Amino acid sequence: AQSVTQLDSQVPVFEEAPVELRCNYSSSVSVYLFWYVQYPNQGLQLLLKYLSGSTLVKGINGFEAEFNKSQTSFHLRKPSVHISDTAEYFCAVSDGGGGNKLTFGTGTQLKVEL
Amino acid sequence: GAVVSQHPSWVICKSGTSVKIECRSLDFQATTMFWYRQFPKQSLMLMATSNEGSKATYEQGVEKDKFLINHASLTLSTLTVTSAHPEDSSFYICSVNRGTEAFFGQGTRLTVV
Repeated sequence: AQSVTQLDSQVPVFEEAPVELRCNYSSSVSVYLFWYVQYPNQGLQLLLKYLSGSTLVKGINGFEAEFNKSQTSFHLRKPSVHISDTAEYFCAVSDGGGGNKLTFGTGTQLKVEL
Repeated sequence: GAVVSQHPSWVICKSGTSVKIECRSLDFQATTMFWYRQFPKQSLMLMATSNEGSKATYEQGVEKDKFLINHASLTLSTLTVTSAHPEDSSFYICSVNRGTEAFFGQGTRLTVV
């Protein structure tokens, strides 16, 4: 069984400040890790993913994440946020099997303020 | 990537009626689709895996007679909420996997009054 923990339900930050959204996972097997963004009343859009290889993954909209196997973490970062980054962010894990079913964290609401 | 279209985007129905939600994979033939449910300010919970040409696989705690899933073709899966009640009000999202990546529909907001 897999699980994903997003400790921060809400993260307020001022525009142009850096931000980190935390994600920890647990799994007994190797996993694939994902970050998705959701705008109000919309589906999810993939920001980035880690499958293998380099532990630093760069995604869209200036986001990046680092896979840390020893700490079972996959924190999302952006050096300078914009108002348009205000959204819900979900971390997810898949074991790559069984049709790649995703297990999601509870989400982090990023609120960028002027 | 894959383009996934969900219809309708929102629906309001009376308690006791049934509602059908469609999920279409527009540019990719999908033997498997996934249905998720999302309560306000909560995460997505997998409800079931829709399998083309065979029965859907439901997650524990999801009533298969309540949430009927049909995957009649490689591009269409439908979720029917039968005898809907206010507690079924939620945001329903489908997804299609292509390789290791999941592509999501835009979701359907169901409100049962």
